[in-house]
Amino acid sequence: EAQVTQNPRYLITVTGKKLTVTCSQNMNHEYMSWYRQDPGLGLRQIYYSMNVEVTDKGDVPEGYKVSRKEKRNFPLILESPSPNQTSLYFCASSPIGASTEAFFGQGTRLTVV
Amino acid sequence: AQKITQTQPGMFVQEKEAVTLDCTYDTSDPSYGLFWYKQPSSGEMIFLIYQGSYDQQNATEGRYSLNFQKARKSANLVISASQLGDSAMYFCAMRDSNDMRFGAGTRLTVKP
Repeated sequence: EAQVTQNPRYLITVTGKKLTVTCSQNMNHEYMSWYRQDPGLGLRQIYYSMNVEVTDKGDVPEGYKVSRKEKRNFPLILESPSPNQTSLYFCASSPIGASTEAFFGQGTRLTVV
Repeated sequence: AQKITQTQPGMFVQEKEAVTLDCTYDTSDPSYGLFWYKQPSSGEMIFLIYQGSYDQQNATEGRYSLNFQKARKSANLVISASQLGDSAMYFCAMRDSNDMRFGAGTRLTVKP
């Protein structure tokens, strides 16, 4: 089954404790992206990648890191999480091109206390 | 840079009536795509409809249609014959040659 898989689905952590949210897709998509969703702000892009070893900042990259060492994986790293990073996170993937829809993971609800 | 604006934080509609959710966008890229996604209370993102910048006709998918007015840079979603299951968040998105950006969303509530 074609899908984007995020793990974990839910995470509660403490301020400053490094964490990684994994994202994997099995559709051989070049494009992958991370978004955070906050009430009233919609989905804001954190980082995106157009292919292996190619990553770019989105609108809200501060406090996050990503890597794209393999085509299928695009982990999101929070080196020192803070409470303002409490949010719902989505990973998405798609082929490259303006006409292609993005496929989303199930989301990761992160709480930083 | 891209910008997508949804000016209606919340909308109400009576069951079986039609409703229009507004979306305006801004881009300097002549080639782009416009998308609408639905997010029910369960949280997943469901793709609804797509409109290309060069498409001459408005896109339709079942009860969903996209009212595309290129000169006004608007891409409104029209849902006909609303159902209780249409109650959800709706996001407008735009994609150019690089990446996809989203608006703030509109929460639609369908009243019985």
